[in-house]
Amino acid sequence: GESVGLHLPTLSVQEGDNSIINCAYSNSASDYFIWYKQESGKGPQFIIDIRSNMDKRQGQRVTVLLNKTVKHLSLQIAATQPGDSAVYFCAENGGGKLIFGQGTELSVKP
Amino acid sequence: DTEVTQTPKHLVMGMTNKKSLKCEQHMGHRAMYWYKQKAKKPPELMFVYSYEKLSINESVPSRFSPECPNSSLLNLHLHALQPEDSALYLCASSQGLGERGETQYFGPGTRLLVL
Repeated sequence: GESVGLHLPTLSVQEGDNSIINCAYSNSASDYFIWYKQESGKGPQFIIDIRSNMDKRQGQRVTVLLNKTVKHLSLQIAATQPGDSAVYFCAENGGGKLIFGQGTELSVKP
Repeated sequence: DTEVTQTPKHLVMGMTNKKSLKCEQHMGHRAMYWYKQKAKKPPELMFVYSYEKLSINESVPSRFSPECPNSSLLNLHLHALQPEDSALYLCASSQGLGERGETQYFGPGTRLLVL
């Protein structure tokens, strides 16, 4: 069946560096993708989304890249801050269901 | 305002208790969801309501009973739960169930412990 997965379960970066979190998806018909940030003890927080007719979308300090050829999604965080420490989930959405990846835990070292 | 609220924040219950989780949104969204999340795992979909009608039940045991009293409220009634049901229960909402995908906004969750 369809699945959305992440390449790395944990990522540790130095404060101020850029972070890149990767995600692979298997359903080539997927049309809409979302990145969520989940801090300890909280619900997932929407960060940024992208539709399949785009390759790149930028937000404040975050950029999502979509490569449909290899079915790959990435989240780039510029100038990573301690407040960015969290688990990041990519999710594929279609027909009312969110299919989550396994998550990457981002740890920011001061 | 993209806020979804959930009560209570924490709940401890015995296996013979009956309790309810509550969720509320005032964004005018017509789709609402219940998810279950275990530690270090992604959320798992349980139920989807669209226009106050149950649209999806992901084969959830009958000890979990959802209810949508109106378009802003979603409840999850719990009865005779097992210790393995201990988890974070998340509510989410979206504008609708668009085939091309809708952004879902999550509440803070209810941390449930079943003894």
